Amino acid sequence: KAGVTQTPRYLIKTRGQQVTLSCSPISGHRSVSWYQQTPGQGLQFLFEYFSETQRNKGNFPGRFSGRQFSNSRSEMNVSTLELGDSALYLCASSLDRGYGGYTFGSGTRLTVV
Amino acid sequence: KQEVTQIPAALSVPEGENLVLNCSFTDSAIYNLQWFRQDPGKGLTSLLLIQSSQREQTSGRLNASLDKSSGRSTLYIAASQPGDSATYLCAPVLEEAEKLVFGKGTKLTVNP
Repeated sequence: KAGVTQTPRYLIKTRGQQVTLSCSPISGHRSVSWYQQTPGQGLQFLFEYFSETQRNKGNFPGRFSGRQFSNSRSEMNVSTLELGDSALYLCASSLDRGYGGYTFGSGTRLTVV
Repeated sequence: KQEVTQIPAALSVPEGENLVLNCSFTDSAIYNLQWFRQDPGKGLTSLLLIQSSQREQTSGRLNASLDKSSGRSTLYIAASQPGDSATYLCAPVLEEAEKLVFGKGTKLTVNP
């Protein structure tokens, strides 16, 4: 079966711009989570969506937002980019609440200059 | 707040050795625990998933154990190979939240 697909793989943006990242989960998975990975902070939870509803949110500023569509695909948006937003953004899908485990995509490498 | 600690932070071994990676977590109210590996600049690859009711899981040369009450999990890698070189991450899932909580990982280098 197809895995979790994240697009684009790489992005370079300028400070102040906004960016949208996309994640297509494994077919049948209804939960999509987003994580930010940086060398200093490691992997940090951003938010989780299930059936188009945000169920859980990490400790990130309001510039980070997301949504989920009826086909379970999810997008995350970062507005007013800062240099510190440079990171690997990872998406994970699961059936529900980690039942059966989480499967991660290859990530989107965002560089803010 | 769940905190996850992985020991050691880094490990370098010759090929063929058996090794143990340790993970401890502060909140034992977990739904399950998952072990991942990550190659540089890549996403996470799932290795093993242990449900909270299980004591261990095995896949090939990998064996993971879980002691939920004491907040510990161990990943055992038998007969290590250079291809095992990666960062290994453990992540419990809290019962009260639909998210993984990660440790800093153990960076493993297996030398030929």
